[in-house]
Amino acid sequence: GAVVSQHPSRVICKSGTSVKIECRSLDFQATTMFWYRQFPKKSLMLMATSNEGSKATYEQGVEKDKFLINHASLTLSTLTVTSAHPEDSSFYICSASGSGYGELFFGEGSRLTVL
Amino acid sequence: DAKTTQPPSMDCAEGRAANLPCNHSTISGNEYVYWYRQIHSQGPQYIIHGLKNNETNEMASLIITEDRKSSTLILPHATLRDTAVYYCIASPPNTGNQFYFGTGTSLTVIP
Repeated sequence: GAVVSQHPSRVICKSGTSVKIECRSLDFQATTMFWYRQFPKKSLMLMATSNEGSKATYEQGVEKDKFLINHASLTLSTLTVTSAHPEDSSFYICSASGSGYGELFFGEGSRLTVL
Repeated sequence: DAKTTQPPSMDCAEGRAANLPCNHSTISGNEYVYWYRQIHSQGPQYIIHGLKNNETNEMASLIITEDRKSSTLILPHATLRDTAVYYCIASPPNTGNQFYFGTGTSLTVIP
C-alpha cells in the first residue's frame, strides 16, 4: 500500500510553545490529507481536512487558530499546534488517500506531550 | 458516512479464524465498506474494502451480505500480532472523502 510518514514520532514541549508535525506521502501525490487526534483508549477524531493549495476545512469544535494546517505541496501537509497547553497532549495522526477507491493510508502518528 | 456498529470487544484463540461483525444498516448504494485496524500506539492500517462482492487479500476476507446491511471481516488464522482495535467504516469511494471512525472492536488473540 501507499506510504505516509509523519515526523516527529514523539515530541515533548513546554506549555505556551508551538509544535509543528509534518506528514508526507512518500510514493504518491495526495491532493487531500486528513488530520486526526486520539486520546488514550478513545477512537480517532477527525480534526480537519487539508487540501493542497487551499485553506483547510476544520471539524466542528476544532479551533483553526490553534491548529494551523498548511498543505503547500502534493506530498506534504503540516499541523502546527500553537501555544500548546497540557490538554493538547494527544496522539496526532495524518492520513492521505492513495487511489480512486478512497482508502486512506495513515502515518505512524505523533505523540505530543505538553508539560 | 453511514453509521456503523461493532461489538466493543472479542477474543479469539491463536490459530483459529477471527470473525469480526459490523452492522451498517443505513449504508447508501455508493458507499464502500472499509476495514482498518490499529495496533497500540500506531497509526491505523488499511486491511480491505468492498462494495457488494466478497473480497479477499493477503490479510483478510470481507464478506458483505446481499442486502449490504452488514459485513464480516475474517482473519483466517489469527496470530498474537493480530491483537488490535478493528474499525469498520462505510463511506463513498471518492478521493478526499472524510472517514469518521466509530469505537471499533478490540480483538484479543489468546495463546
